[in-house]
Amino acid sequence: KQEVTQIPAALSVPEGENLVLNCSFTDSAIYNLQWFRQDPGKGLTSLLLIQSSQREQTSGRLNASLDKSSGRSTLYIAASQPGDSATYLCGEWRNTNAGKSTFGDGTTLTVKP
Amino acid sequence: EAGVAQSPRYKIIEKRQSVAFWCNPISGHATLYWYQQILGQGPKLLIQFQNNGVVDDSQLPKDRFSAERLKGVDSTLKIQPAKLEDSAVYLCASSPRPPDRAGANVLTFGAGSRLTVL
Repeated sequence: KQEVTQIPAALSVPEGENLVLNCSFTDSAIYNLQWFRQDPGKGLTSLLLIQSSQREQTSGRLNASLDKSSGRSTLYIAASQPGDSATYLCGEWRNTNAGKSTFGDGTTLTVKP
Repeated sequence: EAGVAQSPRYKIIEKRQSVAFWCNPISGHATLYWYQQILGQGPKLLIQFQNNGVVDDSQLPKDRFSAERLKGVDSTLKIQPAKLEDSAVYLCASSPRPPDRAGANVLTFGAGSRLTVL
């Protein structure tokens, strides 16, 4: 059974700091891994998708990496802003016929002005 | 582009009652997902449709939950009878295609339907 773990569960940083969020998974036979942002009371917003053949993806101040051999992905946020405060979740899609997905429980980020 | 629409946003019912949630995905998206998200946890996949066929419902409690996607567009998730542990947010998402190595499954989520069972 695939397990996805996100550590830490919560993180508080001052504005302007660079930070890294971690995601680990137990089964490396994945199609891809996606990072999402969830604001309170809202659905999830896709931030980055990394295909299994890729090592990283970048969008603006966000950079996500994938290391299948170690079962790890990281989301790097540069120059954090108060508007980045949210819960960040990673989800992986396995290369089965149905492409079943498993999500971690998320890291809740607070960026203090 | 219109997003994924869900209704109702909030529903409060008593245990053993029934409830239904509706989802309208992004136009042209072949793959539709229903997730259950319990407070403080990540979403758990309940069922995945490809057009109007079910491709994965292994985590759907079939004794009380049912879902359908008529004509490969809108979808309805029903719970009957509801239990206290069904209190959660029910998220609908859609993607252009199912997961593959080309990464075609960027998901767009709706705002969710929050269910409280008393």
